[in-house]
Amino acid sequence: DTGVSQDPRHKITKRGQNVTFRCDPISEHNRLYWYRQTLGQGPEFLTYFQNEAQLEKSRLLSDRFSAERPKGSFSTLEIQRTEQGDSAMYLCASSLFVNQPQHFGDGTRLSIL
Amino acid sequence: GQQLNQSPQSMFIQEGEDVSMNCTSSSIFNTWLWYKQDPGEGPVLLIALYKAGELTSNGRLTAQFGITRKDSFLNISASIPSDVGIYFCAGLNQGGKLIFGQGTELSVKP
Repeated sequence: DTGVSQDPRHKITKRGQNVTFRCDPISEHNRLYWYRQTLGQGPEFLTYFQNEAQLEKSRLLSDRFSAERPKGSFSTLEIQRTEQGDSAMYLCASSLFVNQPQHFGDGTRLSIL
Repeated sequence: GQQLNQSPQSMFIQEGEDVSMNCTSSSIFNTWLWYKQDPGEGPVLLIALYKAGELTSNGRLTAQFGITRKDSFLNISASIPSDVGIYFCAGLNQGGKLIFGQGTELSVKP
């Protein structure tokens, strides 16, 4: 049984560059979530998908951020024109249904130079 | 907005001691979850609580869902070095998103 998989694990980029992260949820999980975690804090919700439909976006998700889940399986999170404040751990989670526990991947650590 | 307050923020204990940490909320949640996170890794689910008053165990871990649905606690008995990490409580809101506390950092001295 494979868990949630995220790629890459680490990304270092210069300010102003675009970055894209990928998340592969647990097979057959309908719900996929993206969270952001900064040092010393708990994860904060960014957005989630029910199959391929993006159902909610947090106010944390500025218009430089876009997420997709084109076939209801894997998801991508893209950040355009990265800023220093985007440095964080980006976590993906999935669950079978809406009120089921969410299982997390190991995250993508983004560092902006 | 919904917020969770975890206490204590950090704990330093001796191996073999019992540990207790709690989480309170200004809002009601119908599901409470406890996660553990090691450095550089994602949170790992420890215990899920679905009913007010529910007491659930997972090995040396015991968690309770408060009657008011606004609080939860986690106990770890007979701590061991691998219990070191950051423990997060999280409430699952109606929309299905998790609201996390700030975490309790546990250090265990052998």
